[in-house]
This record gives sequence, C-alpha cells and structure tokens, in this order.
Amino acid sequence: AQKVTQAQTEISVVEKEDVTLDCVYETRDTTYYLFWYKQPPSGELVFLIRRNSFDEQNEISGRYSWNFQKSTSSFNFTITASQVVDSAVYFCALSETTDSWGKLQFGAGTQVVVTP
Amino acid sequence: EAGVTQFPSHSVIEKGQTVTLRCDPISGHDNLYWYRRVMGKEIKFLLHFVKESKQDESGMPNNRFLAERTGGTYSTLKVQPAELEDSGVYFCASSKDAIGFDTQYFGPGTRLTVL
Repeated sequence: AQKVTQAQTEISVVEKEDVTLDCVYETRDTTYYLFWYKQPPSGELVFLIRRNSFDEQNEISGRYSWNFQKSTSSFNFTITASQVVDSAVYFCALSETTDSWGKLQFGAGTQVVVTP
Repeated sequence: EAGVTQFPSHSVIEKGQTVTLRCDPISGHDNLYWYRRVMGKEIKFLLHFVKESKQDESGMPNNRFLAERTGGTYSTLKVQPAELEDSGVYFCASSKDAIGFDTQYFGPGTRLTVL
C-alpha cells in the first residue's frame, strides 16, 4: 500500500508566485521521519529537509517553508516567490522506525514548472 | 567532501546481457542504500547495507539482481540477465548512522535502458 501520497502530479506557476506541494503520509509508528528531496532536470536527488515525528514546529529556510501537521498526517512544502531554478520534481518521503532500518518510502513526486 | 558517486551515468544494453552498476558512498558512511525508479513509478527501495552486511534486501525484485559491498566501501549492483522491465534509474544513497535514521544523501543515479 502506498504510504506517501503526493496528489499533485504537476504544478505550473509564473515566476514570483507561491506554490504549495502537498504530502500526506500513513504510518502506525509513533516515531518516524519525513523528508523532502528535489530532483532538478540534471537528475540527482537533493536533500531539502528531515523532520522527526516529535517536532511539529514549522520550518523556514529562505524561500522554502514546511508545515508539519500530525493531526492530518501531512507535511506540506511551500516555495515562496518561485524562481525558474525551482523547476524540478519534488519528492516527499517517509522513514518508519519499525522494521525499517531507515529505508525511505517515496511519494510519486510533484513536477513544478516555473515560467518567467 | 565528495558526495555519493555512481558509475556509469548511462547504460544501454540488450535484453539478456549483464550490467554492473557501481556506487561509491560518502567517506565514513556505513549505510548504503539502493533504490530505483522505473518509468512512471515511484522511487522504490531495493536494499540496504550496513558496512559489508546486507541489512535489508526486501526490495530486491528477483534473483537476477545481485548486490555486493566487499570491504564495506563501494557497492555493486549486477543485473543478470537483464530484462526490459529493468529499465529505469538506479539511485544509490548513503548515510552515516542508520540507528538514528540519518539523512540519506543520493548519488546522481544510473539510467539503465534495456532494449
């Protein structure tokens, strides 16, 4: 069963617009980790953020911000004032601590297209 | 500090041939993971090494896939014989401490095309 759902397949925005990527996860573990990775056109997966299940504080890093809500099992990602360089596929991932040893379970990814 | 490297970046082979992919993790990282993304699907876990030992190989699709990590440094993933459905991008990742569920850093991937 799919444990991480990224319902948005593709989002297109014009430069300087804000864009929010949704991520909904499913787990029975009380301790788990959530991640976001960026895959630019060059193909590598670039780590953006890691959050553990006990830390529900929202985080901001430059134009990036993350909203973690355990009550709705969501870990959404917002890019403020988008730029062309933000064009990429963004993946949300879950790492469960039960019988997992750290393996990541990925969502299908959301393609973000930022046009000038 | 050098990141995770993978070789080759691309490989095109005929069905039935053998291909070996290589991954060099970040120096000092005991944990090495293999993942793959076949066309249109999610990135899926294949297996996990802790040093030279296979910790979890639950994601390996079948016995045509063989992964090794001799000496606990670099790892190889061999596909023999390759089938059409093996086409995709194979990613390698490494992390320092699996117990703490450290961040996994990914390599650029190897794009495998089986004709």
